[in-house]
Amino acid sequence: DSGVTQTPKHLITATGQRVTLRCSPRSGDLSVYWYQQSLDQGLQFLIQYYNGEERAKGNILERFSAQQFPDLHSELNLSSLELGDSALYFCASSAVQGAGSPLHFGNGTRLTVT
Amino acid sequence: AQSVTQLGSHVSVSEGALVLLRCNYSSSVPPYLFWYVQYPNQGLQLLLKYTSAATLVKGINGFEAEFKKSETSFHLTKPSAHMSDAAEYFCAVSGVNFGNEKLTFGTGTRLTIIP
Repeated sequence: DSGVTQTPKHLITATGQRVTLRCSPRSGDLSVYWYQQSLDQGLQFLIQYYNGEERAKGNILERFSAQQFPDLHSELNLSSLELGDSALYFCASSAVQGAGSPLHFGNGTRLTVT
Repeated sequence: AQSVTQLGSHVSVSEGALVLLRCNYSSSVPPYLFWYVQYPNQGLQLLLKYTSAATLVKGINGFEAEFKKSETSFHLTKPSAHMSDAAEYFCAVSGVNFGNEKLTFGTGTRLTIIP
């Protein structure tokens, strides 16, 4: 158990809808990362937050947004969903500020858009 | 920007045989490197990491990796494969500078163990 909790585990929704994925990092971890895993794109970095502030941005679509709250949990909001957004979305957290600290991953939320 | 290339999307080895999973990195300076394993329907679990200390890094489950700057490689090995090693393995790289902590992953190698 990594200590990172993601909810829900599975989500099935229709095109055009909006969903929110939730992540609770390991106790004490200040950094949260979001990744998307799909068969054609592999593991893609979306966005990172550190102590409530956006730290780094990857290939995140404008339809997607995220935030980290004062209690350090994070939410990833996906809107105007398309079939191609179907993927496994992972949250990860790390302990310290600075490179070299390993990321600890949750078990992911599997999103299916129909 | 840093990147990693994993050679071989599928590798099959017999139980008890040597496991060798290849990873080459691309970076202007020696980066930090990681190997993760993903079992079906689970998240990624850290196997080992290289952060410029010893070039031979030992990880969990009997895996180890050697950082070779001259070859820009960080291959993962295990002397004797076990059925429980069947999984997908990802090599990843991060920068070494403040603010560059995110991991960039390779495309993964699916390891199959033949009984």
